[in-house]
Amino acid sequence: GAGVSQSPRYKVAKRGQDVALRCDPISGHVSLFWYQQALGQGPEFLTYFQNEAQLDKSGLPSDRFFAERPEGSVSTLKIQRTQQEDSAVYLCASSFRSGMSTDTQYFGPGTRLTVL
Amino acid sequence: AQTVTQSQPEMSVQEAETVTLSCTYDTSESDYYLFWYKQPPSRQMILVIRQEAYKQQNATENRFSVNFQKAAKSFSLKISDSQLGDAAMYFCAYRSARGGGADGLTFGKGTHLIIQP
Repeated sequence: GAGVSQSPRYKVAKRGQDVALRCDPISGHVSLFWYQQALGQGPEFLTYFQNEAQLDKSGLPSDRFFAERPEGSVSTLKIQRTQQEDSAVYLCASSFRSGMSTDTQYFGPGTRLTVL
Repeated sequence: AQTVTQSQPEMSVQEAETVTLSCTYDTSESDYYLFWYKQPPSRQMILVIRQEAYKQQNATENRFSVNFQKAAKSFSLKISDSQLGDAAMYFCAYRSARGGGADGLTFGKGTHLIIQP
């Protein structure tokens, strides 16, 4: 029973580069969330998927941020033209069902993005 | 919008002693869920304990228990018999029940718990 995995674990990008961060949720989990955790802060919600449908992207900070989950399993968070303020740990979480606020969200180890 | 406040950036406790971490939140909703998550250094965030707002009884999980005061919008975590493995960042989190599972968690800034041997 593998947990949520994320890759790469660490990413260094030069300002202006595009990056892609991958999340492999627990097999069979319907719901998938992305969070951004700045240094010394709690995670902040970015976006939510139910299967392949992106039902909430209200937390995405700008139109440079784009997320997809085309087959309802693996998800990719893409950041275009990275800026220094994008430096953070990006966390992915999945939960088994949809429509259940009580469902536990299982978190991945995160990808630490550093933009130089 | 909901907010979660953790007023203790850092707490320190002797091994085997009891420590309480504070959390307050602000919401206009009546139905919601509250969580405490633990994030060890460079490791994954894991759920410690969960409380449904409609339940009056405080949740407990082994050495971990909460003091949920709905009227005061307070949700503190008590760790009894502290162990070295409890050292971590602890985050309090809120989730609305309105979205039927579509809502993300709203986190506080965290409390860094140090366990002194």
